[in-house]
Order: sequence, then structure tokens, then C-alpha cells
Amino acid sequence: AQKITQTQPGMFVQEKEAVTLDCTYDTSDPSYGLFWYKQPSSGEMIFLIYQGSYDQQNATEGRYSLNFQKARKSANLVISASQLGDSAMYFCATRGAGNNRKLIWGLGTSLAVNP
Amino acid sequence: GAGVSQSPRYKVAKRGQDVALRCDPISGHVSLFWYQQALGQGPEFLTYFQNEAQLDKSGLPSDRFFAERPEGSVSTLKIQRTQQEDSAVYLCASSPFPKGANTEAFFGQGTRLTVV
Repeated sequence: AQKITQTQPGMFVQEKEAVTLDCTYDTSDPSYGLFWYKQPSSGEMIFLIYQGSYDQQNATEGRYSLNFQKARKSANLVISASQLGDSAMYFCATRGAGNNRKLIWGLGTSLAVNP
Repeated sequence: GAGVSQSPRYKVAKRGQDVALRCDPISGHVSLFWYQQALGQGPEFLTYFQNEAQLDKSGLPSDRFFAERPEGSVSTLKIQRTQQEDSAVYLCASSPFPKGANTEAFFGQGTRLTVV
């Protein structure tokens, strides 16, 4: 079975500073993927970044980077140069290999960016 | 539009009423997912389609929940005899998988169902 743990219910960050959102995972699949999504108050889940379990390098997408530590089973999201529009819920999720493509989600972290 | 479209955005149902939630996936996307997101929680998987085939319905909480995708595009999630615990946001997502490289799923804005 797969499980995602996000231990930070809420986080605050000053505008223009960096913030790290924690995610640990548990899976028995040898091959898996890790995702981060942003959910603003409008409700839509917006894809941010993906890390494959066999990727040699940490994933980066613009201001988003994923600090992937496989031995520790952690996949923390780093947001650099925070903007007011980054205020939202952030969810970490995992997906196993094979035809079953469903995502298993954490409880999320609420991020507030202060001006 | 080019994204996943869900309707209605909001639905208030009286307990015991049947409801139908619609999802228009991105054109050409083979895979379609339904998730249920209770207040303050992460989404929980309900069911998964590849084209018109429902390959996984293990997340449907009871036999009151039924989903279909008869022509492999638009999908409908139906909830019969709604109960208060059904109140949640229902998210639909689509993905090109198994066509193309490994990609994320694209989500609609969800339908917020409130059962009173």
C-alpha cells in the first residue's frame, strides 16, 4: 500500500523568501512517481512538479524544485522567491507503476505568503 | 475551453435525492479519474476509466455511487439517495495515458456537493 504524509498543516512565508513544504512517502512499488499539486481557493488542482523514482536529478520547474531523498523517502517541495499568488493548499501525491494510475494523496499544507 | 470542465460547479441536494455530476475531459485524453475531496482532506480515489472501460472502481464508497463513460469522452458520476456524508468536492481529472510519455493528470475545478 502507498501512503503520503504531510506533517505541516499550515506554513507562513514572507514574500520573496523561499519555503520548503515537507512530504514523506511509503510505497512497496520499486518504481513510482511523486507529484506536487497546488489547489487555490477556486478548487482546481494545478500540477506543479513531478519526480520519478529512478530520476537521477532532482526535478525543477521554474521557481519550484523537488528535494528528493530516496533513502529517507522524502520529496520536499521548495518554492523560491515566494509570491502573494502562491498562497494556496499544496498536496503531495504518489502513483505506482503499471496500469493503475490513481494518485494517493497527503492531507495537504496550507501556505500563506505575507506581504 | 481546452481544460477539464465539470458541471455543475455547485450542487445542493436534499438528503435522499439523486444527483448526477458531469465531467468533460480534455479532448483525446484516454484516461479519466474521479476523486472525492472532503473538507480539509486530500482527494480520495473513486474510479478510473480508460476510454469507455471502467478499469478500477475500488474507491466507490457504496453501491449508491455509479460512474459511466459510455463513449469514452464525457463521464457522469451518479450518486443515488444522497446522504450527508456524501457532501464533498468531486474532482475529475484526465490524462493522455497510456498514450505519450508519463504525464500528470489535469484536473477540473470540481463540483461542490452539499447534502442538506
